Amino acid sequence: AQTVTQSQPEMSVQEAETVTLSCTYDTSESNYYLFWYKQPPSRQMILVIRQEAYKQQNATENRFSVNFQKAAKSFSLKISDSQLGDTAMYFCAFMAWGGSEKLVFGKGMKLTVNP
Amino acid sequence: NAGVTQTPKFQVLKTGQSMTLQCAQDMNHEYMSWYRQDPGMGLRLIHYSVGAGITDQGEVPNGYNVSRSTTEDFPLRLLSAAPSQTSVYFCATQDIMGASSEKLFFGSGTQLSVL
Repeated sequence: AQTVTQSQPEMSVQEAETVTLSCTYDTSESNYYLFWYKQPPSRQMILVIRQEAYKQQNATENRFSVNFQKAAKSFSLKISDSQLGDTAMYFCAFMAWGGSEKLVFGKGMKLTVNP
Repeated sequence: NAGVTQTPKFQVLKTGQSMTLQCAQDMNHEYMSWYRQDPGMGLRLIHYSVGAGITDQGEVPNGYNVSRSTTEDFPLRLLSAAPSQTSVYFCATQDIMGASSEKLFFGSGTQLSVL
């Protein structure tokens, strides 16, 4: 069975600074995806970034980038130039190829961006 | 194009009452699923469906029923609500045949309280 661990329940950062959210996972699968989802107070689940395990290049989406270390089973999210709108819960998730029944979420962490 | 629509957004039930959470999508996605989100637990899969007439259990199916008579709708039924079912419920779809087959599209969630 797959597991996803987010060891930091809560973090805060000053506006315009950089913050890194950590995530580790455990799996015996060889083909999978990793995700970071953002959940603002509106409750909406928003996909921030995704990484295919077979790609060595780390994914980047504007201010968001990941550090994917496949051998270490680590998948951290770096947010550059933090903005007040980044304040949210962030969930790391793993999905083996084949369908969403194989999607496993971490417990989430609360990020607060302070002005 | 509404995407994934969940109704109601909020609901309060008494123990033992029954109700149905509605989920409708207009994206013609075959894959639909229901998750519950509890504090400190992340999202957990309740039931899922790979197409009309086909459903299966996820990680936490007890106390819930589903059916899928059409591609568009995937209702979640609570037959006899219990306080342990107090949670936020999310419906999601997935275009497993599409170019971004790993991407989930989430509804806006239903906050359910069982007293």
